[in-house]
Amino acid sequence: GAVVSQHPSWVICKSGTSVKIECRSLDFQATTMFWYRQFPKQSLMLMATSNEGSKATYEQGVEKDKFLINHASLTLSTLTVTSAHPEDSSFYICSARAGGQGDYNEQFFGPGTRLTVL
Amino acid sequence: AQSVTQPDIHITVSEGASLELRCNYSYGATPYLFWYVQSPGQGLQLLLKYFSGDTLVQGIKGFEAEFKRSQSSFNLRKPSVHWSDAAEYFCAVGPYQAGTALIFGKGTTLSVSS
Repeated sequence: GAVVSQHPSWVICKSGTSVKIECRSLDFQATTMFWYRQFPKQSLMLMATSNEGSKATYEQGVEKDKFLINHASLTLSTLTVTSAHPEDSSFYICSARAGGQGDYNEQFFGPGTRLTVL
Repeated sequence: AQSVTQPDIHITVSEGASLELRCNYSYGATPYLFWYVQSPGQGLQLLLKYFSGDTLVQGIKGFEAEFKRSQSSFNLRKPSVHWSDAAEYFCAVGPYQAGTALIFGKGTTLSVSS
């Protein structure tokens, strides 16, 4: 149980194009999903937190107009990198949290998406 | 401020030797603590977690960790390392509250020599 998938697992795109990454909770309903970014040999940096049906909360320094997050259902969140540039190349990891208020905060991580912008 | 410190950036251990990876945290409330492992190009795999109760936690792949409140530490141990344990290890801390993300340390790279 508690499986999170991401699609695609890797993507290469041209500079200036937009890329959409999907994060799905396969066997549970995710009230909250988180998007992290990881540069090579570095730690995970939280980009944003999204709750189903509401706007995402972005961390300081993350451009909300560039990284569009949609959490339209309890099993799907999407991250769209708009007008991607080479500096956006990174490993993007989502995590999903089940349960509601009062439940412990265990998060389940997706396998990640490697984005390369040429 | 809430933070997680992994003092060792890179550790090399001989196969069969014991391992201890250090993790210290700064947290204002009772923390929930996690250790994750990440192989190159892969996602995170949960090794173990501590919520409450027994301060010595057993995880998968023969790993264990001990929560020491007085030292604000949650060190990961394994009695005998295998070559397949070579990977990146992340310590993370999280709150109880709903909807708050985990905070990760910078990670420790484990190399295993034969």
